Amino acid sequence: SAVISQKPSRDICQRGTSLTIQCQVDSQVTMMFWYRQQPGQSLTLIATANQGSEATYESGFVIDKFPISRPNLTFSTLTVSNMSPEDSSIYLCSVRRQVSSYNEQFFGPGTRLTVL
Amino acid sequence: AQTVTQSQPEMSVQEAETVTLSCTYDTSESDYYLFWYKQPPSRQMILVIRQEAYKQQNATENRFSVNFQKAAKSFSLKISDSQLGDAAMYFCAYRSPEYGNKLVFGAGTILRVKS
Repeated sequence: SAVISQKPSRDICQRGTSLTIQCQVDSQVTMMFWYRQQPGQSLTLIATANQGSEATYESGFVIDKFPISRPNLTFSTLTVSNMSPEDSSIYLCSVRRQVSSYNEQFFGPGTRLTVL
Repeated sequence: AQTVTQSQPEMSVQEAETVTLSCTYDTSESDYYLFWYKQPPSRQMILVIRQEAYKQQNATENRFSVNFQKAAKSFSLKISDSQLGDAAMYFCAYRSPEYGNKLVFGAGTILRVKS
């Protein structure tokens, strides 16, 4: 498996501010992803974090709102910018790694964000 | 577009009994993977079981097994001898090379286990 840590685990923020979430993996991985899970909902892919280049965003998500950095193969950050209460969600980091003959996807513990 | 449907928002099972969670999906692809993930209240997503579409044999992992019906595009999860620790949200997910190998999740099913 993969050991993935996220910081912070939770935060309460004021409207209009920004929060940067960190994701650290225990070893190098090629594929890293950021997901959003709104209250009581399923997971939605925000973007794929690419090492050394700009992230690839899914429809409905833009770089200005969710800037992502990926400086190396074990670390990524997601910033939630100019927050509003609608951004209150759990944000999950995820990585894909070869396990035996399979490309498995593992998830971090998530960051619970509440925007007031 | 690929979609994954879980029609049961919530299910309950008595401890030691068996429960089946439903999942259907829509795809025109022939090469894909299906997964069941478990998300307990601690929020940590855990892979429960996977199924490759090209395999006719249903996957099994200890008390967890699937009923994969490719023609019907159905992928149900059976949990035998349910335990209190099985209580969680269960997500069905789909992945295919044609869709960039991105995981597409269903809405989830909350499983409650009664003692």
